[in-house]
Amino acid sequence: SQELEQSPQSLIVQEGKNLTINCTSSKTLYGLYWYKQKYGEGLIFLMMLQKGGEEKSHEKITAKLDEKKQQSSLHITASQPSHAGIYLCGAHNAGNNRKLIWGLGTSLAVNP
Amino acid sequence: GAVVSQHPSRVICKSGTSVKIECRSLDFQATTMFWYRQFPKQSLMLMATSNEGSKATYEQGVEKDKFLINHASLTLSTLTVTSAHPEDSSFYICSASSSPYSNQPQHFGDGTRLSIL
Repeated sequence: SQELEQSPQSLIVQEGKNLTINCTSSKTLYGLYWYKQKYGEGLIFLMMLQKGGEEKSHEKITAKLDEKKQQSSLHITASQPSHAGIYLCGAHNAGNNRKLIWGLGTSLAVNP
Repeated sequence: GAVVSQHPSRVICKSGTSVKIECRSLDFQATTMFWYRQFPKQSLMLMATSNEGSKATYEQGVEKDKFLINHASLTLSTLTVTSAHPEDSSFYICSASSSPYSNQPQHFGDGTRLSIL
């Protein structure tokens, strides 16, 4: 079965630093979603990418999907303690499949 | 917009009890709702997909008689864990989508922490 690999597994950065989280698949993805989760809570939708080469930004977070639609990156600029949490990528593995496959998540800590 | 409310947030009960968890979409009509289970340090495990007015589609290995799902309206889905046992203790999260197709994001509730004694 297709899996999504996220890297790094965990990350600790100093406040103000930039960081990048990656989400990789061995097969083409049909819709890539980034979510943020705080421990013991639900997931907050961040961004959705569907087209190869697509890039979206919201506040200090930018997400990209490569041309082959097999890899996505999430970049946070000038990180803040409020960015701390678990970042999860999810994706459809077929164009007509409503189900999402998920990465294991990247745990981010931002030290003030 | 796209708010999903999940209740209760935490349940502690004795073994053998049945527990019902509600998932409501507050400001949109959810044609499809999903129920997940999440173990510590693991990813989301999809349990079932439900569409309003029809039977839920369960993932392989998920007992449909154990985890009863009802999606009676476009804003409400319920998950009932019947005769719960300690191994059913977990974090359960629902999500809802306004589209039956794969072009809209899922919006999640805050989850339910279920502890069976």
